[in-house]
This record gives sequence, C-alpha cells and structure tokens, in this order.
Amino acid sequence: DAKTTQPNSMESNEEEPVHLPCNHSTISGTDYIHWYRQLPSQGPEYVIHGLTSNVNNRMASLAIAEDRKSSTLILHRATLRDAAVYYCILRSSGGSNYKLTFGKGTLLTVNP
Amino acid sequence: EAQVTQNPRYLITVTGKKLTVTCSQNMNHEYMSWYRQDPGLGLRQIYYSMNVEVTDKGDVPEGYKVSRKEKRNFPLILESPSPNQTSLYFCASSLWSGKLFFGPGTRLTVL
Repeated sequence: DAKTTQPNSMESNEEEPVHLPCNHSTISGTDYIHWYRQLPSQGPEYVIHGLTSNVNNRMASLAIAEDRKSSTLILHRATLRDAAVYYCILRSSGGSNYKLTFGKGTLLTVNP
Repeated sequence: EAQVTQNPRYLITVTGKKLTVTCSQNMNHEYMSWYRQDPGLGLRQIYYSMNVEVTDKGDVPEGYKVSRKEKRNFPLILESPSPNQTSLYFCASSLWSGKLFFGPGTRLTVL
C-alpha cells in the first residue's frame, strides 16, 4: 500500500502561515494526494487534493514536489479554528488497490 | 443537501449481540468505506466498496462484515461484537478517487 509519513504534531501562532509536510516516497503515477482535517469531536472533512500541479482553494494551498514524493499543505493565515488533526493520504485513480491508509495525522495547535 | 448519514449515532450493547450500523449517501457515489477511530491510532479503514456488490477488506476487517446491495447504502455488521470493537466509527463516500465525504460518526460501546 502507498503510505504517507507526517509529523505527529506542529504548533503555530494565530495569523501566521503554517506549512504541514507529508512524505509519500512510494507514490505511484496514478495516486492523487488528498488532505483532510478533523476538528475536535467532528468527522474528518476534505481540505484539498492534487495530482502533480500545485492547487489552491479557499481553505488552503497544496504544494507538490516535482518528484511527487512529498507535499506540503499551506494554511496562509492560521486561525484558532484551524486547530485540528490533519491527514495526508494517497488515493489511487487506477489499478486495483483502492484501500486507504490515513495514519495518525499531524495535530496542529494554534496559539492565540 | 449532499450528505452521508449514519445510524445510530450512539449505541451501547453487550458482547455477542449482533448489530448493524447503517450508512447512506445521496450523492450517487460509487466508493463507500468504513473506518474506526481509536485514541492514539488514528483512522483505520475496515472495509470499502467500489460499487454495488463489490467490496474489499481494509486494514482492520476482522470481526466485521459489510454488504453493498444498493449504491446508496453500505451497512456495517458486527455479528458477535466484543469489547475490543468499542470505538468511534465513520462512514465515507466519494466518486472514484475524488474527495471523501464523511458521516457524523457512530460511537459504539460493547460491554
């Protein structure tokens, strides 16, 4: 299975940018990189996803390395509401293995 | 409103008493999946389904069954629940490899 590696925790200050890293050295050409976050006492929610090019949406930006073996989720101005566990996963768009491995994610703490 | 629903939201049961947790989506998604979440272990996939009558094991399938007779429903069945299946369960759906939509979760306690 294609696995990802993330730091267990990170800390940021409010209104500062946050860069959350993810390593996925065994990524295949048909794997999309997805990011989800889970706020306290809630189910996970979608943040962003991409294949090769960098992506932006209203929540965040996704920067994908040229070799695709790593990516970074960028929150441009962290707020207290961004405190959550962030998960980076790989989703296959081809082949026969559609199992998903979330791991433990990165717990982001935002200081006021 | 596009959503994934789960029922029940909370359930306390006893060891060995068969139970079913339902999951339903109204987005015509092909992919549906079940996860359990335990403290310190993150989200772990139990089973997934690529379409009607197509299911496969995730990372922790032991003690669970699923079925996909209709596209919108993907029930999780515990034939003989045990205390180690006490957990928070999430159902999710998506179009193929698109963004996952998660349900609100079911908190299960097995005594």
